[in-house]
Amino acid sequence: EAGVAQSPRYKIIEKRQSVAFWCNPISGHATLYWYQQILGQGPKLLIQFQNNGVVDDSQLPKDRFSAERLKGVDSTLKIQPAKLEDSAVYLCASSPVDRSQGGNTIYFGEGSWLTVV
Amino acid sequence: RKEVEQDPGPFNVPEGATVAFNCTYSNSASQSFFWYRQDCRKEPKLLMSVYSSGNEDGRFTAQLNRASQYISLLIRDSKLSDSATYLCVVSGTGFQKLVFGTGTRLLVSP
Repeated sequence: EAGVAQSPRYKIIEKRQSVAFWCNPISGHATLYWYQQILGQGPKLLIQFQNNGVVDDSQLPKDRFSAERLKGVDSTLKIQPAKLEDSAVYLCASSPVDRSQGGNTIYFGEGSWLTVV
Repeated sequence: RKEVEQDPGPFNVPEGATVAFNCTYSNSASQSFFWYRQDCRKEPKLLMSVYSSGNEDGRFTAQLNRASQYISLLIRDSKLSDSATYLCVVSGTGFQKLVFGTGTRLLVSP
C-alpha cells in the first residue's frame, strides 16, 4: 500500500517569499492533517481536514498560512510571506475515519523540510 | 501548562539496560493514548497504543494511569536500534485530534 506522499522534500527560500507544499494521503483515508515540527519539538497540528472540510485550524497562523483540500483527496499548504521562524518540517498525515480500520492511527509522510533565510 | 508533557532527555543508557519514559497529560477527557517513535530526520511512526489495562509488545510495555493522567513506556534489554525520540501522543473525542509531546530522546550505547 502506498504511503503518504509529500513534495517537495526540501525547500530553501528567503524571508517574505512564498512556498507551497503538496500532500497526497493514503488512498481511502478521509482525515488529513498538516503538522509543523520545529527542531527539538514535537509535531504541532496546523490544520485537520475531514474529507474536504476543515475540522480544526485553531493553530494555523491564518495571516500567512493557508491550506486547502478541494476534492477531499490531496492537499496544499501555502505560506506567504514566510518568516524565519517558519523554518521547520511540515508533516502531512492521514488516517481512516472508521475505528475498525485503525481510525485513531495516523500515518505520516516523510515531510517537507523548509529553511527560511 | 502544556497539554502533553515529557522529559526531553536525552537518556543515555548502555545496551541491555531497562529504561522508562513518563508522560503526563492535562485533558482528563482524553480517550486514546499512543507512543510514537521518531528516528533522526525521519517521520514519526506508531510504536504502540496504550490501553487502560496496560499492554506489552515484546520488549516494550506501556501503561496508563487515568487517575493521575500519566502514561509510561518501559523498554527492556535496550538495543542500539532503540536509539530514537519517543513521542507521547494523546487524543480527545470527536475528530481524532492528536496532541504530541515534545518527545524524549534515547541514546543506547555499546
